Amino acid sequence: GAGVSQSPSNKVTEKGKDVELRCDPISGHTALYWYRQSLGQGLEFLIYFQGNSAPDKSGLPSDRFSAERTGGSVSTLTIQRTQQEDSAVYLCASSGLAGRYYEQYFGPGTRLTVT
Amino acid sequence: GNSVTQMEGPVTLSEEAFLTINCTYTATGYPSLFWYVQYPGEGLQLLLKATKADDKGSNKGFEATYRKETTSFHLEKGSVQVSDSAVYFCALGPGDKIIFGKGTRLHILP
Repeated sequence: GAGVSQSPSNKVTEKGKDVELRCDPISGHTALYWYRQSLGQGLEFLIYFQGNSAPDKSGLPSDRFSAERTGGSVSTLTIQRTQQEDSAVYLCASSGLAGRYYEQYFGPGTRLTVT
Repeated sequence: GNSVTQMEGPVTLSEEAFLTINCTYTATGYPSLFWYVQYPGEGLQLLLKATKADDKGSNKGFEATYRKETTSFHLEKGSVQVSDSAVYFCALGPGDKIIFGKGTRLHILP
């Protein structure tokens, strides 16, 4: 079946502009995660959605970052007034509740470059 | 709270050398443990997993054993290949979110 998809694959934007990044999780997966991976860095958790529960936004670095998940499926990560330090690869993952496995399936990522 | 600590890289080895990447964790209850791998230019993918104490996960010649007594999940491979060059992430779950280590970059020299 289809995996996690993300769009666009690459985004170049000017400093100060807003950007939207999209994630389509695996059908039926109830959990959806956003991470950021900066050059040479590990995975930085941003936000987590689980079913109809309130999202865990504890990893969002500033109020310029927000995310929503519509209908329990597609998610959009929005970065307002982008800064150069926002340049990174933004990864989306989803997981389904399958016993205690909670394996995350990752999308290919969106590479964001802020000029 | 839950956390994962893995050895810092980069780790550089010659082909056919023995590999160990250390990973220790702090968690309440009985977490599942994972190793993810990110090959150059590719996305993260699950390498192996273990869901209870003393379980051994294995894939592609890699192994890791869930050691509750030492809270560890070290990744090992008996004979590495150039194609194993990648970044390896130890991770812990379940919970409200999976916790990843910072990653260890592995370079294998021919």
